[in-house]
Amino acid sequence: EAQVTQNPRYLITVTGKKLTVTCSQNMNHEYMSWYRQDPGLGLRQIYYSMNVEVTDKGDVPEGYKVSRKEKRNFPLILESPSPNQTSLYFCASSLSGGHTQYFGPGTRLTVL
Amino acid sequence: GQQLNQSPQSMFIQEGEDVSMNCTSSSIFNTWLWYKQEPGEGPVLLIALYKAGELTSNGRLTAQFGITRKDSFLNISASIPSDVGIYFCAGRINQAGTALIFGKGTTLSVSS
Repeated sequence: EAQVTQNPRYLITVTGKKLTVTCSQNMNHEYMSWYRQDPGLGLRQIYYSMNVEVTDKGDVPEGYKVSRKEKRNFPLILESPSPNQTSLYFCASSLSGGHTQYFGPGTRLTVL
Repeated sequence: GQQLNQSPQSMFIQEGEDVSMNCTSSSIFNTWLWYKQEPGEGPVLLIALYKAGELTSNGRLTAQFGITRKDSFLNISASIPSDVGIYFCAGRINQAGTALIFGKGTTLSVSS
């Protein structure tokens, strides 16, 4: 089944404790992206990747890192999480940058 | 960053009614997308529009890419309870697929 998977689905952590949210797609998509969703703000793009080893900042990259060492994986790294990073995070992928994106199920992160 | 103005913010309608929502931008977009998000899930693509003036249907849903390329609307005809959810417009300025910008969403409630 073609899908985008994220892990974990739910995470509660404390300020400053490094964490990684994984994202994987099995569709051989070149383009992958991370979004955060907050009430009243909709979806905002954090980082995106056009292909392996190519990443770029989206609208709200501060406090986040990403890497794209393999085509299928695009982990989101929070080196020192803060409470304002409490949010619902979505990973998405598409065949290429110009194609429509397919979203993962989301990761709800709470930073205390 | 770029912003999309999506309206209305929320709608409460009776089953069987038609629904209309729209998005406007101050920038010219090359792509307009409409997504639906149900509770606990990621957004799912409903309709994609790639040309100014394009009118596309998907069952009871119809979306149009505005002639000015700065707006798009989504209509749902004869609404049913399972139409409940948050509807997002999204647009892309660059066909090569840089940032995908989302509206803040329209929350639709349908009473039977």
